[in-house]
Amino acid sequence: DIQMTQSPSSLSASVGDRVTITCRASQSISSYLNWYQQKPGKAPKLLIYAASSLQSGVPSRFSGSGSGTDFTLTISSLQPEDFATYYCQQSYSTPRITFGPGTKVDIK
Amino acid sequence: EVQLVESGGGLVKPGGSLRLSCAASGFTFSSYSMNWVRQAPGKGLEWVSSISSSSSYIYYADSVKGRFTISRDNAKNSLYLQMNSLRAEDTAVYYCARDGILTGYPLDYWGQGTLVTVSS
Repeated sequence: DIQMTQSPSSLSASVGDRVTITCRASQSISSYLNWYQQKPGKAPKLLIYAASSLQSGVPSRFSGSGSGTDFTLTISSLQPEDFATYYCQQSYSTPRITFGPGTKVDIK
Repeated sequence: EVQLVESGGGLVKPGGSLRLSCAASGFTFSSYSMNWVRQAPGKGLEWVSSISSSSSYIYYADSVKGRFTISRDNAKNSLYLQMNSLRAEDTAVYYCARDGILTGYPLDYWGQGTLVTVSS
């Protein structure tokens, strides 16, 4: 199985901050990397697919980059509604997909 | 509007069974592969099972293989998960999620989830 790790596991930030979350795969997954946002009590929501493609309707302050084993999710200017947990997910070995452990972004 | 609505969760004793359902609407259900993903309380996301559009291909996580059965009824726009021999570690919110047709087949739509609690 392909293992996914994320760092940091949590971070505190202020509105307007630039936030970067890192995801690493245990082997090369090309660009088969997706990012999801989950708020408490809600289902995950797709933000970024194929490492850098923005899902329809997602604000442009979200961006993704990377390929191979190392990936990043960047929020250019954190907004109040962005406080949530973010998960990366590899789809290289679909349907046997795996998720990272999550990064919780909370208010400083 | 794409909608996925899960039902069937509840409290069950260890060793018991439960059948989850996911009702789909707003898209051509028979054209998409579907998945079950679960999340234990306070934990991360775990893929459970996947079924192709015509049910030709079915996959399970090792943690549920032999105990859970995924199925679908395209005429009823519904996805199912039959869960047998339930264990405490199966306690989780279970989400149904659609395989998108975007590059890399991300899970582009999710239901709101249904809670399964396995406890005596």
